[in-house]
Amino acid sequence: QQQVKQSPQSLIVQKGGISIINCAYENTAFDYFPWYQQFPGKGPALLIAIRPDVSEKKEGRFTISFNKSAKQFSLHIMDSQPGDSATYFCAASIRGGSNYKLTFGKGTLLTVNP
Amino acid sequence: NAGVMQNPRHLVRRRGQEARLRCSPMKGHSHVYWYRQLPEEGLKFMVYLQKENIIDESGMPKERFSAEFPKEGPSILRIQQVVRGDSAAYFCASSPPGSTEAFFGQGTRLTVV
Repeated sequence: QQQVKQSPQSLIVQKGGISIINCAYENTAFDYFPWYQQFPGKGPALLIAIRPDVSEKKEGRFTISFNKSAKQFSLHIMDSQPGDSATYFCAASIRGGSNYKLTFGKGTLLTVNP
Repeated sequence: NAGVMQNPRHLVRRRGQEARLRCSPMKGHSHVYWYRQLPEEGLKFMVYLQKENIIDESGMPKERFSAEFPKEGPSILRIQQVVRGDSAAYFCASSPPGSTEAFFGQGTRLTVV
């Protein structure tokens, strides 16, 4: 049972373009939605995160859009750069108690061509 | 403040041997999570520990796998009698109490031959 579905599996974008990665979740108890960036041979690094009380969060070139009724959220990378080429993972967790284990999507391999 | 430290970075074991993976959380972090990443897959939660306690091991295989986070020293993920299917990258993440933000280590890549 895959609780967080991510698409596309891979994405190729030209430099300066917009990269869009989508995720959908099933468990309505999820209330924290981070995005992680992972370079080859490295661990995932937190990029940006959102809680369901807002519909959008922007940090620099990265924006999360959140649609609670559709149980979907997406990552937009504006003015994509070759240095953004990495694997991106969406995730979700429940904030209750102290256990913030993450449920991850399968990842999107982003390639930004120069 | 050093990040989450995992060692070894790469580990090769023959089938039937034991694998021990170590994780030192960031300073001040008392919560440790272990995740496994298979090729072409996202990370899968394995276990959540606090000092001297296993809080959630719902993602751990029932046999051969164990984890600990002693009062002193790093957290250890132990895999006994490894099989080829255990080959994966194992990541540790830590967080301070009350925080949703998890910081990941660089992982241990286990290869079973």
